[in-house]
Amino acid sequence: EAGVTQFPSHSVIEKGQTVTLRCDPISGHDNLYWYRRVMGKEIKFLLHFVKESKQDESGMPNNRFLAERTGGTYSTLKVQPAELEDSGVYFCASSPGTSRDIQYFGAGTRLSVL
Amino acid sequence: RKEVEQDPGPFNVPEGATVAFNCTYSNSASQSFFWYRQDCRKEPKLLMSVYSSGNEDGRFTAQLNRASQYISLLIRDSKLSDSATYLCVVNRTGGFKTIFGAGTRLFVKA
Repeated sequence: EAGVTQFPSHSVIEKGQTVTLRCDPISGHDNLYWYRRVMGKEIKFLLHFVKESKQDESGMPNNRFLAERTGGTYSTLKVQPAELEDSGVYFCASSPGTSRDIQYFGAGTRLSVL
Repeated sequence: RKEVEQDPGPFNVPEGATVAFNCTYSNSASQSFFWYRQDCRKEPKLLMSVYSSGNEDGRFTAQLNRASQYISLLIRDSKLSDSATYLCVVNRTGGFKTIFGAGTRLFVKA
């Protein structure tokens, strides 16, 4: 069974550009989460989808970030326009059920904004 | 104060040593608890869930004390391959928000 996959693995962009990150969860997992780790800090929750609905987006830093999960399968996280402080590793995770379930993480997308 | 606090370490121990990590959480609404392991430049991977009754998986033992809002991880007979960052993770009730500690770095030396 395929795990959580994220694309791209690395992205280097200039300030002001747009970047779109993609996450394919484990097949059948209704819950999909986005997290971010900036240098030297802990991993922080961004948002949570249940199928195609946003269950909790309280961790989204600002309106430059837009997450979608059309059809309840893969998800995208767009940053527009990117700022220097957006640099970090963006992790996606999925789980099949309630919050007690184990989350399976993707390898992450390392974003560098220059 | 952070919602989940861990000693960042690093812990430097010889092979075969026993090492213990602690984690405290401040939100009493926290519902479920986990230890994850993260190798350098890799994704977090679940090590074990943590229950009030305590649980053991081979050389690893996890304990939860809800009254003190405290979680621990004990590693016995440390191996070189145990070198990693250990993340304390807490899920809240009333939602699905997951809170990570900053992690404790462990180096096991030959």
